[in-house]
Amino acid sequence: KAGVTQTPRYLIKTRGQQVTLSCSPISGHRSVSWYQQTPGQGLQFLFEYFSETQRNKGNFPGRFSGRQFSNSRSEMNVSTLELGDSALYLCASSLQGTYNEQFFGPGTRLTVL
Amino acid sequence: EDKVVQSPLSLVVHEGDTVTLNCSYEVTNFRSLLWYKQEKKAPTFLFMLTSSGIEKKSGRLSSILDKKELFSILNITATQTGDSAIYLCAVVVESEKLVFGKGTKLTVNP
Repeated sequence: KAGVTQTPRYLIKTRGQQVTLSCSPISGHRSVSWYQQTPGQGLQFLFEYFSETQRNKGNFPGRFSGRQFSNSRSEMNVSTLELGDSALYLCASSLQGTYNEQFFGPGTRLTVL
Repeated sequence: EDKVVQSPLSLVVHEGDTVTLNCSYEVTNFRSLLWYKQEKKAPTFLFMLTSSGIEKKSGRLSSILDKKELFSILNITATQTGDSAIYLCAVVVESEKLVFGKGTKLTVNP
């Protein structure tokens, strides 16, 4: 079956702009989680959605938001981009949630200039 | 603040060696501990541990959790160059929220 897909794969933005990233989970998976990965901080949890509801979120400012659609596809939005938002953004899907095996997508590499 | 610490941060071994990777944690509400392997970009799942003392095994990899001492180890025996990767430990704290360690970068030389 098809894996987790993320679009776009690479993105270059300038400070102050906003960006929307997309994640399509594995068919049948209702949980989608988002993570930010940087060399300094490692992998950090952003939020998790299940059946269109956000069940938890990490310690990120309100500029980071997300949503999930009825087909389980998810989007993540970052507004008023800062240089420090440059990172690899990974999404992962699973049947039940983060405490089970998650399948990660290839990530979106965001560069903020 | 919830914390997951992995050690060592980096390790270089020769093919055939056995390695032990460590993960210790201090969290307010432990639900489970997960190990992932990250080779290029997408981490891949290795193990989920919830109970102390029960070893999980998959081929040359095995892992065990000690909830009293708050740590887990990941063992890899007879290492191969294909084991070269970053190994990530994560703890699920409260509902669906994960806290990751910084990872251990393992390099296996032929």
